[in-house]
Amino acid sequence: KAGVTQTPRYLIKTRGQQVTLSCSPISGHRSVSWYQQTPGQGLQFLFEYFSETQRNKGNFPGRFSGRQFSNSRSEMNVSTLELGDSALYLCASSLDPSDTQYFGPGTRLTVL
Amino acid sequence: KQEVTQIPAALSVPEGENLVLNCSFTDSAIYNLQWFRQDPGKGLTSLLLIQSSQREQTSGRLNASLDKSSGRSTLYIAASQPGDSATYLCAAGAGSYQLTFGKGTKLSVIP
Repeated sequence: KAGVTQTPRYLIKTRGQQVTLSCSPISGHRSVSWYQQTPGQGLQFLFEYFSETQRNKGNFPGRFSGRQFSNSRSEMNVSTLELGDSALYLCASSLDPSDTQYFGPGTRLTVL
Repeated sequence: KQEVTQIPAALSVPEGENLVLNCSFTDSAIYNLQWFRQDPGKGLTSLLLIQSSQREQTSGRLNASLDKSSGRSTLYIAASQPGDSATYLCAAGAGSYQLTFGKGTKLSVIP
């Protein structure tokens, strides 16, 4: 069974631009979560989707948004990029949030 | 607000030693506790999942315990190997479909 895939793996953007990251969950998983990882803050929860519905959102500004499609694939978008948005963005999928979370390899975003 | 703390932040041990990593959480109303491993520049690999109704889980040389009443979990690694070198993260699942992570323990196993 294929694992969680994330594209692209690396991105370099400049301040003010916007970016879209993609996540394909494990087949059959309907819950997809996104996390931001930085050296200073560690892993922080962004949002969780289940069957195309956002069920929870972390404490991030409105520039961070996401969606989930009917095939459970998910995208997150960050608009008006800031230097502080440089991070590893991780996606995780599971059958249910109470089950094991399987993480993808992440997208490394660098904002210059 | 759930807070998860991991002690120590870094640990260096000789190969073959048994070791314990600690994780504490402030809100005992969790539905599970998960341990992950992260290699440099990589994503997270799930090691063990303990549901709130369980006390421990084992997988090979790894054993994780959970004490909700005291807000603590431990990860025991037996007969450590250089390949165990990585950062170990614990995460508490508590309501609202999210995991709260600790900052991790960076483990180095010296050959």
